[in-house]
Amino acid sequence: KNEVEQSPQNLTAQEGEFITINCSYSVGISALHWLQQHPGGGIVSLFMLSSGKKKHGRLIATINIQEKHSSLHITASHPRDSAVYICAVNPGNLIFGKGTKLSVKP
Amino acid sequence: GAGVSQSPSNKVTEKGKDVELRCDPISGHTALYWYRQSLGQGLEFLIYFQGNSAPDKSGLPSDRFSAERTGGSVSTLTIQRTQQEDSAVYLCASSRGQGSGSGNTIYFGEGSWLTVV
Repeated sequence: KNEVEQSPQNLTAQEGEFITINCSYSVGISALHWLQQHPGGGIVSLFMLSSGKKKHGRLIATINIQEKHSSLHITASHPRDSAVYICAVNPGNLIFGKGTKLSVKP
Repeated sequence: GAGVSQSPSNKVTEKGKDVELRCDPISGHTALYWYRQSLGQGLEFLIYFQGNSAPDKSGLPSDRFSAERTGGSVSTLTIQRTQQEDSAVYLCASSRGQGSGSGNTIYFGEGSWLTVV
């Protein structure tokens, strides 16, 4: 069993839809990261959190430490949000989920 | 520079040759990570350096792979006797430390694209 599980693996949405990507992990962590990777592009850190909720623009990340679960939400999705979203946990080194490929159609 | 710098950005090498990939982390960052990503695949952990502690080498796929970090700053990933399955983008990342403090955001380099022919 992978230490970090993401769902869904692929997600297609219409512009304006509310999107949720989930991440579950099985190890003890000091932090959880949500990363964004555009096709052919680099990786950008969106959030780093160990408790509660963080918001940046249309993006919201939540984490439940007891349940070892985190969610990334995108409100009013836009085609430019199309990317791979990766959950990573930090028990020392970084352990990555396999990513969620999001495609937002106009 | 302001970000994580990797070189070379692209490398084509013949099977059996050795390659060295370099990572310059952000100044002051004690944590340095190496990953690789094969085409269409997820990120694969290779090695992690944290300050003066012994590195976590648990992700290195074979003894052909090694990495050093000199003076707690620049790191070199060496692949000996390269094989075609080593073809991937090799990504370096750094952070100030661990934990969820805002100063510990992880920053990624643009990667070194390695092609073994």
